[in-house]
Amino acid sequence: NAGVTQTPKFRVLKTGQSMTLLCAQDMNHEYMYWYRQDPGMGLRLIHYSVGEGTTAKGEVPDGYNVSRLKKQNFLLGLESAAPSQTSVYFCASSYVTGENTEAFFGQGTRLTVV
Amino acid sequence: EDKVVQSPLSLVVHEGDTVTLNCSYEVTNFRSLLWYKQEKKAPTFLFMLTSSGIEKKSGRLSSILDKKELFSILNITATQTGDSAVYLCAVGNSSNTGKLIFGQGTTLQVKP
Repeated sequence: NAGVTQTPKFRVLKTGQSMTLLCAQDMNHEYMYWYRQDPGMGLRLIHYSVGEGTTAKGEVPDGYNVSRLKKQNFLLGLESAAPSQTSVYFCASSYVTGENTEAFFGQGTRLTVV
Repeated sequence: EDKVVQSPLSLVVHEGDTVTLNCSYEVTNFRSLLWYKQEKKAPTFLFMLTSSGIEKKSGRLSSILDKKELFSILNITATQTGDSAVYLCAVGNSSNTGKLIFGQGTTLQVKP
């Protein structure tokens, strides 16, 4: 019963390097999200997707790109990492029906940019 | 601008105490309010509230929503050290995106 799986779990990057974080869900959810979590700031939405082939910007999209080529996968890319992108990244997925908006989260990726 | 504010930001209590965590919100077209518990890793779902005045309970935890005054509380009775965590409040609006707006979180430490 995997749920939402993120890879990798930890990564250290040098400034200017690029990387891709992978999120996979096996619950057939239409909606997927990438959040970042910084101390004292809760979770902030980076990008989200409401279905395969669609993406949209969230609250803090600058410096990130995303792709949703398959329904079960949502990729977050950093083209040129900066120290300000040091954070814990969470992927989430949800189904939205009626009043229900519960999101299911992955275990997080701790990224350090030096 | 939609926003969710939690208080207090941190709290230290002793085992057996009762705590109340607060969440106030300003959101266009409110749909639901959710509480999550976050220990070391992923937030785990506690409650989803959509109607005013209806308490939701799970063991020692309970929560209620007031849509007129735009806030919710999360109560934990007879606290245990295992309740130590960050408690996150999030609000969803009625846009067809499922996006959640999170508060800053309340860090609860329960001492033996």
